[in-house]
Formats: sequence, C-alpha cells, structure tokens
Amino acid sequence: DAKTTQPPSMDCAEGRAANLPCNHSTISGNEYVYWYRQIHSQGPQYIIHGLKNNETNEMASLIITEDRKSSTLILPHATLRDTAVYYCIVRPFGVFGNEKLTFGTGTRLTIIP
Amino acid sequence: DAGVIQSPRHEVTEMGQEVTLRCKPISGHNSLFWYRQTMMRGLELLIYFNNNVPIDDSGMPEDRFSAKMPNASFSTLKIQPSEPRDSAVYFCASSFGTPNTEAFFGQGTRLTVV
Repeated sequence: DAKTTQPPSMDCAEGRAANLPCNHSTISGNEYVYWYRQIHSQGPQYIIHGLKNNETNEMASLIITEDRKSSTLILPHATLRDTAVYYCIVRPFGVFGNEKLTFGTGTRLTIIP
Repeated sequence: DAGVIQSPRHEVTEMGQEVTLRCKPISGHNSLFWYRQTMMRGLELLIYFNNNVPIDDSGMPEDRFSAKMPNASFSTLKIQPSEPRDSAVYFCASSFGTPNTEAFFGQGTRLTVV
C-alpha cells in the first residue's frame, strides 16, 4: 500500500477553515484517498474519500492534486468539536482482500476558541 | 441502527487470565475488522473477515490471540493467556459491499491487564 505523510499537529481558530495536507507521492492508479478522524477515546470516524476529482460532503471537502501525489482535507468552518486526530489513508478500491485500512500517525488538529 | 456494538467497554484482568472481547457488526455488513490501539504503536489491524471468513490475520501478534466469526452478526477476539503488554483499546469495525467504502467503528474495549 502507498504510504502517506502528514504533519504531526496543526492549530486552527474556531470558525476558520482548517486545511489538512497529506502527501502520497507513491499512490497507484487504483488507490483511493480516504480520510478518517478520531476524537479522543472514540472509534475512528469516516469523513470522505476520492480518486482524482475533488469531493465534497456535509462534513468536509477533499482536494486532490492533478498528479494525485498530494491532497488536502478542508473543514470549512471549524468548531471545537472538530478537535481530533485526522488520518489520511490510501487504499485499493474494490479489490477483494484489500478492504483493510492501514492507519498512520495522523495529524492532531486542535481548534482554538 | 445502533452501530457497531462492542462489549465490554472496559475490562481489567489479571495476567494469565483469559479475556474475550465481543463485537456485533452493523446488520447487513459483510466485512469485519479488529484493530488494537496503543500509544506506542497507534492503530494496528489485527485481523479482518469477509463473509465470516478470515481473510488476513497477519496482524495477530501471536498464538495467544484468536478471533472467530461464527455468524454474520457476532465476532469474538480472545486472548489466552493475557499479558500486561496486551493492555490497549481494541476496536471492532464493519463495512458493507464490494467495493467497500467506509468502515464504521465501535466505541472500543479498553483492556487493562495487571
């Protein structure tokens, strides 16, 4: 599986957009980018995923560069409840036997009041 | 749906005792995952099942660990005998379909072996 690189920590002011970068320079053509987050003491929570087009849902937006070597997760209006560890994961899509998610160390995002 | 249900939420046991963690996946989901989380090693995949069949158990630490999925609505992770280094939070997750999209995680079982 392709590896990802994320900054260990970031701060963001409440109400501002939080932009979390992820580098995945060795990503393969059939690998998707997934984002999960883990709020303290809870199980990880799915946020969004994408292949090469930008994606948006009710939680966040995902911007993937044209060469697919990096991506940015955007939380448009961060709240204190968005304080969590955010994981960027690449995973083959639709390949039997590769459903597993391999978590790295993630980015600890702290929202500042 | 109540989501993925794990029990117990907390378990404290003495070294050498058998420990059984339980998981009820979301109804209709056909993949089930067991993860372990520690400060030192982060989130590690132990084993995952597809349609009740173990697909990848390469993350199971050693023979003291075993996992079963007797039916689509129940799985267990057993540690026998337990050791202090097994202390961790154990998460169960489930997902649906091929290709799979998102996995839903339970609230975890915090295991302390003294």
